[in-house]
Amino acid sequence: AQTVTQSQPEMSVQEAETVTLSCTYDTSESDYYLFWYKQPPSRQMILVIRQEAYKQQNATENRFSVNFQKAAKSFSLKISDSQLGDAAMYFCAYRSETSGTYKYIFGTGTRLKVLA
Amino acid sequence: GAGVSQTPSNKVTEKGKYVELRCDPISGHTALYWYRQSLGQGPEFLIYFQGTGAADDSGLPNDRFFAVRPEGSVSTLKIQRTERGDSAVYLCASSLTRGNNEQFFGPGTRLTVL
Repeated sequence: AQTVTQSQPEMSVQEAETVTLSCTYDTSESDYYLFWYKQPPSRQMILVIRQEAYKQQNATENRFSVNFQKAAKSFSLKISDSQLGDAAMYFCAYRSETSGTYKYIFGTGTRLKVLA
Repeated sequence: GAGVSQTPSNKVTEKGKYVELRCDPISGHTALYWYRQSLGQGPEFLIYFQGTGAADDSGLPNDRFFAVRPEGSVSTLKIQRTERGDSAVYLCASSLTRGNNEQFFGPGTRLTVL
């Protein structure tokens, strides 16, 4: 079975600085997607960025980028120029493309605090 | 159109009672997912619908949990004989089809069993 591990329960970053959130996963599959979701206190899960496993190029979305190391099964999220609105829980998620269900498997999350 | 909506936003019930949680997916989305998020944890998969049928219910914890989607749109998660351990946020997500499509999440229902 696939697992997703986020080893940082909480991280802090100064406004305008850069922070990296870690995520590792375990799978024997070769075809999958990885995601980072943001969950503010409103509970709404918001997609931040996604990476297709077959793509070697790291995904980027404005201030958000990932470092995808397929062999190491590592998928970290880098947030540049951190803003107060980035404060939230961040979840790393795995989705198999071969299971037929396409359900997400989430990590336990990292709470990001942004200091003014 | 509007995003995924869930009602009620919060539900408090007593141990042993029956509850229903409702999910309205984005119009036209055929795939619908239920997840449960316990305190301090990430969401965990419960059940997946493709159209009207439950294509994968492997995440339902026991037979007290049941979900339906009779017309392929609105879905209801039903919990019988609630227990304190059922307290959690129940999230619903929908996607245009299964596969290579983003899942859009609703705001969840926070269930508290006293």
